[in-house]
Amino acid sequence: AAGVIQSPRHLIKEKRETATLKCYPIPRHDTVYWYQQGPGQDPQFLISFYEKMQSDKGSIPDRFSAQQFSDYHSELNMSSLELGDSALYFCASSPLTSPSDTDTQYFGPGTRLTVL
Amino acid sequence: DAKTTQPNSMESNEEEPVHLPCNHSTISGTDYIHWYRQLPSQGPEYVIHGLTSNVNNRMASLAIAEDRKSSTLILHRATLRDAAVYYCILSRDNYGQNFVFGPGTRLSVLP
Repeated sequence: AAGVIQSPRHLIKEKRETATLKCYPIPRHDTVYWYQQGPGQDPQFLISFYEKMQSDKGSIPDRFSAQQFSDYHSELNMSSLELGDSALYFCASSPLTSPSDTDTQYFGPGTRLTVL
Repeated sequence: DAKTTQPNSMESNEEEPVHLPCNHSTISGTDYIHWYRQLPSQGPEYVIHGLTSNVNNRMASLAIAEDRKSSTLILHRATLRDAAVYYCILSRDNYGQNFVFGPGTRLSVLP
């Protein structure tokens, strides 16, 4: 079965540079979530999109922005990178479900960002 | 947001059943109980979810207390590949509900 695709899988950047992470959800999934997981920490929610509109926002720095495109893929743009941005970034997607059920999120393999 | 409490770590022998507990005493009537697990350097993986009734799937079983203030994830026969961090997460029944990952339980499986 198709899974969530994230690219690149690894990314090395210098401080103050910019980075763009991409997420391709499972076909027919219309909701995308972004999570950040620092070394030795648990995943933390950043932002989510439903039908190309931002649906929820977590602890996402102002230096980061994201959007979901017409084909439902999403991009996380990170500017003025700091050492503390080094982390695993996960994207998850979920399908449109009936109001009587809850969304199950399916996670991608993640992008490991290293800021030097 | 309703919070969950799990043991930091648990150990099991291979081929034996494992019962992973989760307390969620402030759960609301519309909160679903989700279980995810995360292997090292991999994305969280869906295990099971439920609302009120016990649930079974090919990976595990979920036993939910009658008052819903606690639940237990049951792995019927642990394998070495089940060694992971297991997260118990609550979410509401709406779209785009983000997950709050708590400390989780680190499960070690001994051969």
